[in-house]
Amino acid sequence: AQSVSQHNHHVILSEAASLELGCNYSYGGTVNLFWYVQYPGQHLQLLLKYFSGDPLVKGIKGFEAEFIKSKFSFNLRKPSVQWSDTAEYFCAVDGAGSYQLTFGKGTKLSVIP
Amino acid sequence: DGGITQSPKYLFRKEGQNVTLSCEQNLNHDAMYWYRQDPGQGLRLIYYSQIVNDFQKGDIAEGYSVSREKKESFPLTVTSAQKNPTAFYLCASRGTGYGYTFGSGTRLTVV
Repeated sequence: AQSVSQHNHHVILSEAASLELGCNYSYGGTVNLFWYVQYPGQHLQLLLKYFSGDPLVKGIKGFEAEFIKSKFSFNLRKPSVQWSDTAEYFCAVDGAGSYQLTFGKGTKLSVIP
Repeated sequence: DGGITQSPKYLFRKEGQNVTLSCEQNLNHDAMYWYRQDPGQGLRLIYYSQIVNDFQKGDIAEGYSVSREKKESFPLTVTSAQKNPTAFYLCASRGTGYGYTFGSGTRLTVV
């Protein structure tokens, strides 16, 4: 069975600070990896995804993530956060052939102006 | 525009009643999913279906039932056996290329 672990439940940053949200997964084969964002009162949106190729993936709104296979990690980064980045962020994994998308418990990000 | 339609947006249920949440997609996707979202729990998989007339239990299927009679539709019934049904329910579909599309959700409250 596949699983996802997000290290931080709640992160509080000041505007312009750098962000790194941790995500580790457990699965014995090839994986597809995703980061989703849910802004307050809104539905889930895809930030970025990794299927194959370059392990450094760039997404929308200046976010990027790096897939490190040896560490089973897919951490999300942004060099300078804005107040509008306040949201909940979910890491998800889809093991090849599993037909299931498994989510982590989410990390709530609060950005202070 | 292609997408997933979930209805209703808000639903209230009395204890002991069954209730059905609707999910329709016009994306021609084969696979469809139901997730439950609770604060601090992330999204947990209830049921999924890879093709018409076939579906599998996810991690928290107890107290729920589904059907997949048409490719476009994957309704979820929350039965009276579900002890804590108040939650936000999300439907999703998956097409080729591993892309998932999510609906806007149904918030179910037991009164």
